Amino acid sequence: DAKTTQPPSMDCAEGRAANLPCNHSTISGNEYVYWYRQIHSQGPQYIIHGLKNNETNEMASLIITEDRKSSTLILPHATLRDTAVYYCIVSPNSGGSNYKLTFGKGTLLTVNP
Amino acid sequence: GAVVSQHPSWVICKSGTSVKIECRSLDFQATTMFWYRQFPKQSLMLMATSNEGSKATYEQGVEKDKFLINHASLTLSTLTVTSAHPEDSSFYICSAPGGPGEINEQFFGPGTRLTVL
Repeated sequence: DAKTTQPPSMDCAEGRAANLPCNHSTISGNEYVYWYRQIHSQGPQYIIHGLKNNETNEMASLIITEDRKSSTLILPHATLRDTAVYYCIVSPNSGGSNYKLTFGKGTLLTVNP
Repeated sequence: GAVVSQHPSWVICKSGTSVKIECRSLDFQATTMFWYRQFPKQSLMLMATSNEGSKATYEQGVEKDKFLINHASLTLSTLTVTSAHPEDSSFYICSAPGGPGEINEQFFGPGTRLTVL
């Protein structure tokens, strides 16, 4: 079973920031927080991951609370192409079969014009 | 980033026949690959872990004799759905951990849509 809880859906206006929350209150010390997204009828795409520090890349920012029990993915300027299901996943990063990901139901983000 | 391809992208077959799906890592080597299945309006469900040179590891409830996995090389894993039935119709997706410099990322194939008539 997935160890994360996300809202089933969210809406965002084009050009505005999209803030997607995720609860992972049972996260273990060696588990990372990963975010992936899946555009309709495509394979998932990696977005970002972090352990305890906030992270930023060209796609998004990841804010992890100090107790690591929740996080927020931020898309700073959402576009229509960002409409997708966003998955928050916790997983250890110790290689081999431990790379497997357990997907929850995710959040369907709809970016509106 | 690394690229994972799947072939075919879609397939329609008759009930009782077998279908083979290929998953290739195009520009990196993958000793481990993962196979997922996704039914309409549902999330991805991990089916099995494919290991190069050894037997695949199947998740609970997945029939290993029905879903045959062969990881014959460092860039190719195949999933064969044997004696397919309409309930096997689904979106099958493979993934592989990235190569050096990208080991924290899983790279997913574009998926194969299987329809069994």
